[in-house]
Amino acid sequence: EADIYQTPRYLVIGTGKKITLECSQTMGHDKMYWYQQDPGMELHLIHYSYGVNSTEKGDLSSESTVSRIRTEHFPLTLESARPSHTSQYLCASTLAVMGTDTQYFGPGTRLTVL
Amino acid sequence: KNQVEQSPQSLIILEGKNCTLQCNYTVSPFSNLRWYKQDTGRGPVSLTIMTFSENTKSNGRYTATLDADTKQSSLHITASQLSDSASYICVVSDRGSTLGRLYFGRGTQLTVWP
Repeated sequence: EADIYQTPRYLVIGTGKKITLECSQTMGHDKMYWYQQDPGMELHLIHYSYGVNSTEKGDLSSESTVSRIRTEHFPLTLESARPSHTSQYLCASTLAVMGTDTQYFGPGTRLTVL
Repeated sequence: KNQVEQSPQSLIILEGKNCTLQCNYTVSPFSNLRWYKQDTGRGPVSLTIMTFSENTKSNGRYTATLDADTKQSSLHITASQLSDSASYICVVSDRGSTLGRLYFGRGTQLTVWP
């Protein structure tokens, strides 16, 4: 089982609140990713990082922001949550070479914004 | 447009039976194809990964096939168990960018009944 962790697992908050979803991995992976997944739908990449101080936006536009100050830590922040942000957020990591390396996923955070 | 289509969308089988899930893709260029298992409320877990030169890969009761000419893959599950109930996701990676982009299917929701 992969050593990649996400907290909280479930979060219900009101509109306008600032939230941070935590993701950490202990495998020393350089690349980390955030995906958004709605029920029955495919995963959409919203952010990725090649390493410390490297962050890029993914394919799906997102109002969230990320930071990568430490290799093992890749938090995602929403400054002002809205009901449209309700979704499952999955963090993943892999070794530096994309190739055939497997992406390891965390358990996800189920976010509900009221 | 690069796409990954999976069928069926959902499937119900009895415990002990075999089943086959399909994945068709239009991703080009092609680097590799992965099958993931995603339990409800959890992150995806890798089952198999195949490159262009591989046409079959097994992982226990899971056997994946790949026909790169027709751009089709299948995942065969033998002697199904209740714990096989999950969403099975087909993911195709291209080699056209430094990111090595992943294209996700929407998954096949498999339910195994006793």
